[in-house]
Order: sequence, then structure tokens, then C-alpha cells
Amino acid sequence: DTAVSQTPKYLVTQMGNDKSIKCEQNLGHDTMYWYKQDSKKFLKIMFSYNNKELIINETVPNRFSPKSPDKAHLNLHINSLELGDSAVYFCASSQVRNSYNEQFFGPGTRLTVL
Amino acid sequence: GESVGLHLPTLSVQEGDNSIINCAYSNSASDYFIWYKQESGKGPQFIIDIRSNMDKRQGQRVTVLLNKTVKHLSLQIAATQPGDSAVYFCAENIGGYQKVTFGTGTKLQVIP
Repeated sequence: DTAVSQTPKYLVTQMGNDKSIKCEQNLGHDTMYWYKQDSKKFLKIMFSYNNKELIINETVPNRFSPKSPDKAHLNLHINSLELGDSAVYFCASSQVRNSYNEQFFGPGTRLTVL
Repeated sequence: GESVGLHLPTLSVQEGDNSIINCAYSNSASDYFIWYKQESGKGPQFIIDIRSNMDKRQGQRVTVLLNKTVKHLSLQIAATQPGDSAVYFCAENIGGYQKVTFGTGTKLQVIP
């Protein structure tokens, strides 16, 4: 069983389109995240939700809107896609306890904006 | 911000040798540190962690060293194998808070 899964794995789209990426975790974790990894492999947090509540929003353009219908799911919707949005997007989850925060990552979604 | 203009550091190691990957962290308030391994086409995977009340922790073939005085973290891999080829990230966290900040990553190439 996959612990953190994302769909789709690849997404190719035109500038200006709207797209969504879905994430699900079956680990029972309370916290989920979205990260963006650029072509230099730099990994930057975008959002974090804890029990469906937004707790981290790292100055991401408001074209990006996360949605958490329940604590096992965190989806990412992107409006008006731009060339600079091309990257690999990773979903992750963790259960923060006693100051430990081991995050489990999904396989990534490679987004290419043409 | 993004690592525009920065290249991914690469470490080339002969199979069977030991590898040492270094990381400088930024926040002196960080009290929990993690090393992740990212293989090509996959998400980062947890390797080992260490809390700030320790200066060394060992796992299977891996050792993490923490020097809080100079805010430095290292990952040592013993008897490096081809399967160790990946990008390695250090990450820092302030305990009890969800945000984890990742370093820029080091690519490890194992030469057979």
C-alpha cells in the first residue's frame, strides 16, 4: 500500500489553464504539506494543513489554492498557469510529536507548462 | 527564495569508500534535524534524524554528526554502494512546529 499518493504523476498543460493535483495519505497523520521542487532540486514548502486547517502559507501566489476535505487529503488547485509554475510538486504528511517531525513524501507530480 | 544561479553540489565517491556529506543550517533555534535521500524520479525519503541534545547518532551504515556551535550537520555513509547514488538533503525544524526547512541538496555519485 502506498503511504502518500499523488495524481497525476505527469501533467502537461498550456499557459493560462487551470489544473488540480490530488494527494492522499493512509498513515493517519494530522499534518499534510505541499512542496515545490525546481530544476535545481531546491525544495521549498508552499502550504501545510493540520487537521484540515491551514497553518503554513509561504508567500505563494493566490493562483495556488490548497483544499483539504479531510485530514487524509490535501489537493492543490492552480489557476492561470504560468511558465514559472513548471516544477515537480510533492505532497507530504507527518505526525508531529514530541518535537519529531518525520515527513513522508509522495512520488511527486511533474508539471510542465507550455 | 529559490536557488537561482546556484548549482547542485556533487560528490563523487568510489564504491566501497566512505562518503561524507556536509550541510550548514541557518536557524540557531532549530532543535531537530533530518537527512533525506531522493532517488531519481522519486520523493525524498527519511534516512536518519537527530535532536539538538545529541551530537552523534548512528543508523545502519549511516552516521549523523551535529555541531551546534558552527551550525553544521554531516551525514557519513560507510562502504558506499551504487544504490546510495541520489540527492541528499539536510532539513531543520523547530520542535513542535510543522515547518521543515530544507537545505540545497548534494548529489552523491557512486563510481563502480
